[in-house]
Amino acid sequence: DTGVSQDPRHKITKRGQNVTFRCDPISEHNRLYWYRQTLGQGPEFLTYFQNEAQLEKSRLLSDRFSAERPKGSFSTLEIQRTEQGDSAMYLCASSKRDGTDTQYFGPGTRLTVL
Amino acid sequence: AQKVTQAQTEISVVEKEDVTLDCVYETRDTTYYLFWYKQPPSGELVFLIRRNSFDEQNEISGRYSWNFQKSTSSFNFTITASQVVDSAVYFCALSEAPEGNLIFGKGTKLSVKP
Repeated sequence: DTGVSQDPRHKITKRGQNVTFRCDPISEHNRLYWYRQTLGQGPEFLTYFQNEAQLEKSRLLSDRFSAERPKGSFSTLEIQRTEQGDSAMYLCASSKRDGTDTQYFGPGTRLTVL
Repeated sequence: AQKVTQAQTEISVVEKEDVTLDCVYETRDTTYYLFWYKQPPSGELVFLIRRNSFDEQNEISGRYSWNFQKSTSSFNFTITASQVVDSAVYFCALSEAPEGNLIFGKGTKLSVKP
């Protein structure tokens, strides 16, 4: 199995710009999660998909954030009108219902907002 | 409310020493799941172990061992005969459902010096 992949690995943008990140889960994993990790902290949950349905959203996911998983495969996370406080590592994880439901993480996208 | 506390921010040991990373959790659920992940300098979170709340057996995997004690709400991780390659940030996490989002501690940075 290839692992979870994320693109891009790094993104530098100016405040006010929109950015979009992509996550490709492990093949046959029907669940996909987005987390955000800031320096010196553990990852914090943002949102979760089962197939194409977005089942849960954290209060951290402000109106400027939107996530999609249109065909139940890859997912995108868009941040509109970026702010310096959005600078973080955005992590994607996937899992499948096999009795363990273990989440496997991708390498992350590091966002820097100038 | 759910919470994971990793009181040790940083630990430094010399190669071949044993080291224990502490994890204390809070949850009101009687069924929950505990995890340990490793985050090396490359940044990708690597799954180490998943434990169900109804399985209090300790586990050993090579140089790694885990001690789960419901009475003290702790899930500690011991590395025996540490190696330089063990240097990383280690996260303990909690989930209250098999497919639920993970609640992470702030992590413990382990430095193993030669």
